[in-house]
Amino acid sequence: EAGVAQSPRYKIIEKRQSVAFWCNPISGHATLYWYQQILGQGPKLLIQFQNNGVVDDSQLPKDRFSAERLKGVDSTLKIQPAKLEDSAVYLCASSPETGNTIYFGEGSWLTVV
Amino acid sequence: GEDVEQSLFLSVREGDSSVINCTYTDSSSTYLYWYKQEPGAGLQLLTYIFSNMDMKQDQRLTVLLNKKDKHLSLRIADTQTGDSAIYFCAVTSGGSYIPTFGRGTSLIVHP
Repeated sequence: EAGVAQSPRYKIIEKRQSVAFWCNPISGHATLYWYQQILGQGPKLLIQFQNNGVVDDSQLPKDRFSAERLKGVDSTLKIQPAKLEDSAVYLCASSPETGNTIYFGEGSWLTVV
Repeated sequence: GEDVEQSLFLSVREGDSSVINCTYTDSSSTYLYWYKQEPGAGLQLLTYIFSNMDMKQDQRLTVLLNKKDKHLSLRIADTQTGDSAIYFCAVTSGGSYIPTFGRGTSLIVHP
């Protein structure tokens, strides 16, 4: 079974530029998550989708971050404009339904300079 | 909200047992997970335990849960150099299915 796919794996941008990350969850998984993992910390949930609807985006900095999951499958996470403190690994994860075990992708590593 | 604490580093000799500890604050915690993160990789689910269990064993891994003390541990028997990684404790509680993660424990295995 293919895992959660993410791209790009690595990205370096200057502050105030924009960046977008893409995620393809495990086939058939209805729930998709985006986490932010800052170096030396555990992952923190940014947004949770159930199919193509948002379940929880309370931790998403909506002035600069946006996410969508069109057609209930793939998802994109966008940051515009980026700040230095956005440097982190952005982890996409999925689960069959809310409450099931969460499976993570390998992450997209962002460095903002 | 839930607070999950872990020690940051653990160093063991190859072949010894490793014990990684985790404490949490919410007594209504339901699912407790251990994830492994190797350098440059995402998080790999190792094992999990329900709050109505005290122990779970899976090959070299043993999870112990002390609900009274809100303490979770992961024991790795016969630790190998390939076990070197960061281990995250994660806990769901309060009716939420979203786990709260600790900061991770870096396990260093030396010959």
